[in-house]
Amino acid sequence: NAGVMQNPRHLVRRRGQEARLRCSPVKGHSHVYWYRQLPEEGLKFMVYLQKENIIDESGMPKERFSAEFPKEGPSILRIQQVVRGDSAAYFCASSPGGGDTQYFGPGTRLTVL
Amino acid sequence: QKEVEQNSGPLSVPEGAIASLNCTYSDRGSQSFFWYRQYSGKSPELIMSIYSNGDKEDGRFTAQLNKASQYVSLLIRDSQPSDSATYLCAAPNAGGTSYGKLTFGQGTILTVHP
Repeated sequence: NAGVMQNPRHLVRRRGQEARLRCSPVKGHSHVYWYRQLPEEGLKFMVYLQKENIIDESGMPKERFSAEFPKEGPSILRIQQVVRGDSAAYFCASSPGGGDTQYFGPGTRLTVL
Repeated sequence: QKEVEQNSGPLSVPEGAIASLNCTYSDRGSQSFFWYRQYSGKSPELIMSIYSNGDKEDGRFTAQLNKASQYVSLLIRDSQPSDSATYLCAAPNAGGTSYGKLTFGQGTILTVHP
């Protein structure tokens, strides 16, 4: 069984560019979560989505960040006008239902030059 | 007070010893707890989940939950150098607004030396 897939695994952007991070959940999982891990810091929740719905975006910065999980295709975390402080590892997790065990993807390591 | 707090370590134990990792949480409404292991540069990997008071054993790992004391621990018996990693305690919806998101502790770095 394929686990959570994320791409790209590494992404380099210059300040002001856009970053798009993709996440395909475990087959059959309809709940997706995005977490961010800044260097030398812990994992922080960003957003929780179900198909076509944002359930909880309390951890998302108010500006420049957005997320979606369309009916077809992967979940996308989009960061507009990236700044150096956005450099981090971004992890996606999925679960079959809300509150179920979450399984993490390999992460996307974003570097902003 | 942090919602999920771990003894920050780092923790160093000799090979073959028992490693004890501790976690406390502030939200009495939390019903389930998870331990993840994260190797440097890798993603979190689920080790154990525990929902009921008491002990849950899986191989060399034992999770212990005490809801009255708001305390959860992970014991690793016969520690191996390959157990060297950061261990993350997590609770769903700890202090949050939705059912499902995980709140993580800051992690405990474990080193098992030969």
